[in-house]
Amino acid sequence: ETGVTQSPTHLIKTRGQQVTLRCSSQSGHNTVSWYQQALGQGPQFIFQYYREEENGRGNFPPRFSGLQFPNYSSELNVNALELDDSALYLCASSSQGGINSPLHFGNGTRLTVT
Amino acid sequence: DAKTTQPPSMDCAEGRAANLPCNHSTISGNEYVYWYRQIHSQGPQYIIHGLKNNETNEMASLIITEDRKSSTLILPHATLRDTAVYYCIVRASNDYKLSFGAGTTVTVRA
Repeated sequence: ETGVTQSPTHLIKTRGQQVTLRCSSQSGHNTVSWYQQALGQGPQFIFQYYREEENGRGNFPPRFSGLQFPNYSSELNVNALELDDSALYLCASSSQGGINSPLHFGNGTRLTVT
Repeated sequence: DAKTTQPPSMDCAEGRAANLPCNHSTISGNEYVYWYRQIHSQGPQYIIHGLKNNETNEMASLIITEDRKSSTLILPHATLRDTAVYYCIVRASNDYKLSFGAGTTVTVRA
């Protein structure tokens, strides 16, 4: 069974730039969600994708957007990067649309915005 | 907002059982208790979850009080590799997201 994989593992961007992070879900999982984890804090929910559509969103601005592909992999895009976007970005996959099903996380992408 | 209260930190001895408490006094009937842990520089790892019955798997046991207002995660034989931040999360059966609090930083000492 292949777990959740994310790429790249680390990334450095400049304020104002755009970034794309990628995630491959665990085999058998059809739902992907993204979380942001600032240093010293717990992960915060960004949004979830199920059947290639966003079906839930946390308190994040529209410059955070995503995609889910037919093979259930996903991308997180962040436009107009700000210094506060520096964080660990975690992808999690689950089954059943994420309802009453444990989420399984990847090891994240560490984004640094300078 | 997190619906759980956990101690910020605790130490335990290698080889001994580690008992991690969590209070969730406002839990609703359709809300499950989930436990995750996060080892430094890794993503959160699912441990166990339960509704009202005690649960056990290869990693840990979850004991939920009869009134469901608190629970305890038990690591039966703690090892140095169990050093991590442990998160207790209350999640409704129809909720797709996890709401993380600050968790408990558990340090296992030799």
